[in-house]
Amino acid sequence: KAGVTQTPRYLIKTRGQQVTLSCSPISGHRSVSWYQQTPGQGLQFLFEYFSETQRNKGNFPGRFSGRQFSNSRSEMNVSTLELGDSALYLCASSPPDSQEEFFGPGTRLTVL
Amino acid sequence: KQEVTQIPAALSVPEGENLVLNCSFTDSAIYNLQWFRQDPGKGLTSLLLIQSSQREQTSGRLNASLDKSSGRSTLYIAASQPGDSATYLCAAVSGSARQLTFGSGTQLTVLP
Repeated sequence: KAGVTQTPRYLIKTRGQQVTLSCSPISGHRSVSWYQQTPGQGLQFLFEYFSETQRNKGNFPGRFSGRQFSNSRSEMNVSTLELGDSALYLCASSPPDSQEEFFGPGTRLTVL
Repeated sequence: KQEVTQIPAALSVPEGENLVLNCSFTDSAIYNLQWFRQDPGKGLTSLLLIQSSQREQTSGRLNASLDKSSGRSTLYIAASQPGDSATYLCAAVSGSARQLTFGSGTQLTVLP
């Protein structure tokens, strides 16, 4: 069974631009969560989706948004990029009968 | 609000040594605790998940324990190998949300 996939793997943007990151969960997994990892703040929860509904949201500004499609694939969008948004963005999925989270390889976003 | 702490931040041991990594959490009302491994620049690999009703889980040379009353979990690695070198993260799920709260990790180096 294929793991969680994320595209693109690397991204370079400039301040003020917006970006969309994509995540495909493991087949059969309906819950998708997003995390931001930075050297200073570590891993922080962004949001979680289940069956196209956002179930939980972390403490991030409204510039960070996401959605989930009917096939469980998820996207997150960051608008008006700031230098501090440079980070590794990780997506995780989990099966319906477990809370074990399986992570993708991440998207490395650099904002110049 | 759940807070997770991992001490030490870094650990260096000779190959073959048995070692213990520590994780502490402030809210004992956790649903589960999960241990991950992260190689530099990569995503997270799930190692072990301990449900709140369990005391320990084992996988190969790894054994994780959970003591909710003291707010502690430990990851025991037997007969360490250079390939075990990585950052080890613990994360707790508490409350009704499927949201991982991460510690800052322990960077392990196993010297040949």
